[in-house]
Amino acid sequence: GEDVEQSLFLSVREGDSSVINCTYTDSSSTYLYWYKQEPGAGLQLLTYIFSNMDMKQDQRLTVLLNKKDKHLSLRIADTQTGDSAIYFCAEGSNDYKLSFGAGTTVTVRA
Amino acid sequence: DAGVTQSPTHLIKTRGQQVTLRCSPKSGHDTVSWYQQALGQGPQFIFQYYEEEERQRGNFPDRFSGHQFPNYSSELNVNALLLGDSALYLCASSSTSDEVEAFFGQGTRLTVV
Repeated sequence: GEDVEQSLFLSVREGDSSVINCTYTDSSSTYLYWYKQEPGAGLQLLTYIFSNMDMKQDQRLTVLLNKKDKHLSLRIADTQTGDSAIYFCAEGSNDYKLSFGAGTTVTVRA
Repeated sequence: DAGVTQSPTHLIKTRGQQVTLRCSPKSGHDTVSWYQQALGQGPQFIFQYYEEEERQRGNFPDRFSGHQFPNYSSELNVNALLLGDSALYLCASSSTSDEVEAFFGQGTRLTVV
């Protein structure tokens, strides 16, 4: 199966950390991605992780992967108002296509 | 580098009509994928083109067809439009030498009335 599920909404105070969670079902997934979409815009690739890794850090972003539980998370440190957006988790394998979740809307409040 | 560019940005069509959407991939990329994003949902894979051929297809009817040109640009055609085809259509490009990263364009917002 290729289902990817995410929680729909997250509200976070400016300066706090945000954690967005995702689960997937395809055990053959090779890569797992996080994309960001701002209103009226396309998708911006934030980061990705290979399925044989369990963590990747890139500046304010930390990706954790639990392959056994098929659980992926994205932590944004020191969340800013510019981080308000929809975040999509996606999985890809060797068949070249990406399967996306429905997206998590992150709202950053002052 | 202009990145992935799509045209037009917005389009309104009537049910039953046909539409063509266009995509120019990022410089150096040779693979183009098309996705449909309905309001409030994640993108759904339509198909992918490489070497001017459809390499992979998602669960979309034959009304959806595409083409890739020798310069790697691509078109998405939708025939006999339905109201349910209203969506944001996204083009993504990647390179066979690095298939991990797919970069998306800004999309074409299609409204069918």
